[in-house]
Amino acid sequence: DAGVTQSPTHLIKTRGQQVTLRCSPKSGHDTVSWYQQALGQGPQFIFQYYEEEERQRGNFPDRFSGHQFPNYSSELNVNALWLGDSALYLCASSKLTGASTEAFFGQGTRLTVV
Amino acid sequence: AQSVTQLGSHVSVSEGALVLLRCNYSSSVPPYLFWYVQYPNQGLQLLLKYTSAATLVKGINGFEAEFKKSETSFHLTKPSAHMSDAAEYFCAVSDQREAAGNKLTFGGGTRVLVKP
Repeated sequence: DAGVTQSPTHLIKTRGQQVTLRCSPKSGHDTVSWYQQALGQGPQFIFQYYEEEERQRGNFPDRFSGHQFPNYSSELNVNALWLGDSALYLCASSKLTGASTEAFFGQGTRLTVV
Repeated sequence: AQSVTQLGSHVSVSEGALVLLRCNYSSSVPPYLFWYVQYPNQGLQLLLKYTSAATLVKGINGFEAEFKKSETSFHLTKPSAHMSDAAEYFCAVSDQREAAGNKLTFGGGTRVLVKP
């Protein structure tokens, strides 16, 4: 089991550009959540996808959008990048139903905006 | 709304000494509670979780935590620190009403330094 995989691991973008981050969930999981972790802080919830729809959303602007594909993989898109978007972006997967409430995290994508 | 407060952004312990990391939460509904560990340049690994069964929860690597509803606390302990415990630790809460507990609210983290 490959667990949760994210790509790319690192990238550098210029202010104003757009970026797409990708996540493949753990086998058997159907729900994907995205988190932003700024340097020295705890992760902040961006949004969650289930059945290809955004199910929950945190306090992030519309510049942050996502998508979930039929195979449960997901993308996070950020438009009009700000310097403040520089962070580690974490993807977490889980099963929506069932007794287990454990979310498994990927290694993250380190985004640097210059 | 839920929130988590971790007391102490940095903790320094000697190898072999007790590790105690403090976490207090705020939740208007019964919570699920979690402790995650993050090693440098890596994602988060679950140490343990409380999901309304036993209040004393045992996790991986010798860690355990006790849920105390009256104190709204979920402190993490390990009797004897090892050099490999040096990492950042995050306490998180989720709402039991939300399926899968995947919407986590994290504390600010506590960085643990282990001295030889």
